[in-house]
Amino acid sequence: DSGVTQTPKHLITATGQRVTLRCSPRSGDLSVYWYQQSLDQGLQFLIQYYNGEERAKGNILERFSAQQFPDLHSELNLSSLELGDSALYFCASSAGQGETYEQYFGPGTRLTVT
Amino acid sequence: GQNIDQPTEMTATEGAIVQINCTYQTSGFNGLFWYQQHAGEAPTFLSYNVLDGLEEKGRFSSFLSRSKGYSYLLLKELQMKDSASYLCAVRDSDTDKLIFGTGTRLQVFP
Repeated sequence: DSGVTQTPKHLITATGQRVTLRCSPRSGDLSVYWYQQSLDQGLQFLIQYYNGEERAKGNILERFSAQQFPDLHSELNLSSLELGDSALYFCASSAGQGETYEQYFGPGTRLTVT
Repeated sequence: GQNIDQPTEMTATEGAIVQINCTYQTSGFNGLFWYQQHAGEAPTFLSYNVLDGLEEKGRFSSFLSRSKGYSYLLLKELQMKDSASYLCAVRDSDTDKLIFGTGTRLQVFP
């Protein structure tokens, strides 16, 4: 158990819908990262937050957005869902930024868009 | 730009040694990570290299050559439970983000 929690574990929804994925980082970790992993593909970095502020952005679609709240939990919002958005979405957390901090991954949310 | 290459699949026998290679080209470099990921599960941290050389951790070792843009993960005394994907990831020097390779799927046979 990495200490990072994600909810829900599974999500099935229809095209065009909007969903929210939630992540709680390890206690004391300030950085949260979101990744997408499609079938047979590597982990694609989406976005990073550090202590409530957006820190880095990857290949995140405009239909997707995220935020980190004062209690450091984070939410990833996916809207106008398409079939191709079906994937595992992982959240990771680390203690800080700019140092050799290991990222700890949550169990992931499996999103299926039908 | 950033590019990370590693073999797609490898097979090995229980008890053997296997080396998984990773080459990278990045605009900025601040360390290389290896993660293990079993199917459908979260990646788990194995090793981290930021300086050239070998880091040993039990049955797993990782090597880095920054001048060659090259790393390898060495797994000794293979066990069936080592069957998994092994992900090489480079940390960007300007941000904290990790750029992952597509992973090497290792199958260990008895």
